[in-house]
Amino acid sequence: GNSVTQMEGPVTLSEEAFLTINCTYTATGYPSLFWYVQYPGEGLQLLLKATKADDKGSNKGFEATYRKETTSFHLEKGSVQVSDSAVYFCALSDKGSGNTGKLIFGQGTTLQVKP
Amino acid sequence: NAGVMQNPRHLVRRRGQEARLRCSPVKGHSHVYWYRQLPEEGLKFMVYLQKENIIDESGMPKERFSAEFPKEGPSILRIQQVVRGDSAAYFCASSPPAGQRNTEAFFGQGTRLTVV
Repeated sequence: GNSVTQMEGPVTLSEEAFLTINCTYTATGYPSLFWYVQYPGEGLQLLLKATKADDKGSNKGFEATYRKETTSFHLEKGSVQVSDSAVYFCALSDKGSGNTGKLIFGQGTTLQVKP
Repeated sequence: NAGVMQNPRHLVRRRGQEARLRCSPVKGHSHVYWYRQLPEEGLKFMVYLQKENIIDESGMPKERFSAEFPKEGPSILRIQQVVRGDSAAYFCASSPPAGQRNTEAFFGQGTRLTVV
C-alpha cells in the first residue's frame, strides 16, 4: 500500500542555517505530494504541494520538488528562522488532480531552530 | 485557514464514558475527514464523509467508534466506552465538492482527548 517515510528528528539548527528534511514515498499511480507544518498546540497548515512529476512547490522560502525517479519530495529552506520551529509532515494523496482526498502522512519531523 | 472549527479543544473522559467530538467544516465544503494523531506519531486517516454518507471508513476501529455528517449541523466523531489508548489528538479536515481542482483540505485545530 501507499506510504510515506520521513527522516527522524529532532533536527536542531542555528538561525540562518540550511534546512533539508528528507521524504520518500511509495505509491501506485501518480499521487499529489504535500508538506504540512504544525506549530505547537495548533492544527496542520498546508505549507506547499506538488501535483505531478518535476513540479516544484514553494512557500515562505520553503521548496520541495516532486522527483518521481527517486520517489522523493525533500523539503528545503536556505535560511531558517527561530519562527520556523515546528513539526513538519510529508503527505501524499491518491488523487492526482490536487483534490486531497484521503491523505497518508509521514511520522513528522520536529525542527528546532536556535538563535 | 478559513475556519474549520472543532470543539471542544480539550476533552477529559474517564474510562468507560462516551466522547463526542464536533467538527464544523469551512462554509461550502461538503467533504469531511477525521484523523487521529497519537503521541509522537503522524496523523492516521480514520474516516471520510460527505453529507449524510460515509465514503471511506477504512481507518476507523470496528468497535466503539462511529462518525456522522448530517444534512444540517456539524460532523460528529463518537467514541463509546473510551479506554486509555483512545487518548490522542483528533483532527478534522474539510474540502470542497469534487470537481473543484487544485484545492487543499483545511484542518481544524484538533480536539485533544485525555482518558483518565
